[in-house]
Amino acid sequence: EPEVTQTPSHQVTQMGQEVILRCVPISNHLYFYWYRQILGQKVEFLVSFYNNEISEKSEIFDDQFSVERPDGSNFTLKIRSTKLEDSAMYFCASSLQGNEQYFGPGTRLTVT
Amino acid sequence: DAKTTQPPSMDCAEGRAANLPCNHSTISGNEYVYWYRQIHSQGPQYIIHGLKNNETNEMASLIITEDRKSSTLILPHATLRDTAVYYCIVRSFWGTTDSWGKLQFGAGTQVVVTP
Repeated sequence: EPEVTQTPSHQVTQMGQEVILRCVPISNHLYFYWYRQILGQKVEFLVSFYNNEISEKSEIFDDQFSVERPDGSNFTLKIRSTKLEDSAMYFCASSLQGNEQYFGPGTRLTVT
Repeated sequence: DAKTTQPPSMDCAEGRAANLPCNHSTISGNEYVYWYRQIHSQGPQYIIHGLKNNETNEMASLIITEDRKSSTLILPHATLRDTAVYYCIVRSFWGTTDSWGKLQFGAGTQVVVTP
């Protein structure tokens, strides 16, 4: 059964550094998403991406965040200058038609 | 803003049906009811969704009341692997643009299946 994959599983970085979180969505899917979950808190929507552009983003997704689909398979989330409060589990999701979203296993980002 | 209300926790015996309630009294005509679950620290897993008719798939059944103000997710034969946080989410769909709104997760219901 096709799955969304994410790398790395755990990323440790220092405050102020740039990080890139990588996702490989399910191959024929057209809609892509990033969510995050701070430890002990709710899953929060960050951004949705369709047809090579952002279709919706939350207040969390400020100028420090960007997304890219650099080739036909990868979908990345970049945080330009990480803050302590960016420490969270980041989940990528993909969908064929936008209705059912399938999530990856997540990347745990720790900012020190 | 919370659009759904779920009990914070519930227990279920293995092999029995688990009935998870959700209240969404302010649901609009273009909003669907979605259910996801999250097994400890893993990514959320899609379970089922519906608009007004009852739905069933290999994982669960979704019963939506006629006024659409509440719904129940039914896991027919709960197993220990069904222990998870279950999220009931109301999600918008715009037919004119064939587009879906974002998934907004709440606190969900922690379901513990016991032997």
